Amino acid sequence: DAGITQSPRHKVTETGTPVTLRCHQTENHRYMYWYRQDPGHGLRLIHYSYGVKDTDKGEVSDGYSVSRSKTEDFLLTLESATSSQTSVYFCAISESETGAGYTFGSGTRLTVV
Amino acid sequence: RKEVEQDPGPFNVPEGATVAFNCTYSNSASQSFFWYRQDCRKEPKLLMSVYSSGNEDGRFTAQLNRASQYISLLIRDSKLSDSATYLCVVNRVRRGSQGNLIFGKGTKLSVKP
Repeated sequence: DAGITQSPRHKVTETGTPVTLRCHQTENHRYMYWYRQDPGHGLRLIHYSYGVKDTDKGEVSDGYSVSRSKTEDFLLTLESATSSQTSVYFCAISESETGAGYTFGSGTRLTVV
Repeated sequence: RKEVEQDPGPFNVPEGATVAFNCTYSNSASQSFFWYRQDCRKEPKLLMSVYSSGNEDGRFTAQLNRASQYISLLIRDSKLSDSATYLCVVNRVRRGSQGNLIFGKGTKLSVKP
């Protein structure tokens, strides 16, 4: 499997606290993505990156920010967590923009109480 | 029309059955098409790309109909291990770019003994 890891795997946090999720890859892929997956909605793109310090918004970016200071790391921050951000978060990587598809990390289950 | 639309199922079939999933997409300019498989509480994994001429991988056959903007996946001789959710995936075309991937909500398959 591709070298992509997410941390933490599970997290419970309180409403209003900031939370940072980490995605780390060892494949040297240019593109990295953060998705959230919720029942009835499928996978929805939050933010993505097309290079170091190059990021853009996806379809559900409100309340989230990202940073990519190194090729291998893509961080997702919930600035002030809300219950509506309880979800499973998946990071994905790809060599080209769509090319051969994406490889996903194992996911982070986040619960905001 | 939704960007990517799938029948959510569930499809409940006996072992050995042939089952077909369908998917429609809205943007006629899309160029990249995939089927992903997602097991319960796991990350999505690439099952196969879908090519214009149709393609086969063992028991799995994918077809693309550009005129109707329709993608299909056929599974022959279903196995218990095929039980999963199958995601139809299409690229979101943006001006000057192939864009990122859009995931359908998935079709759930349950193969029974």
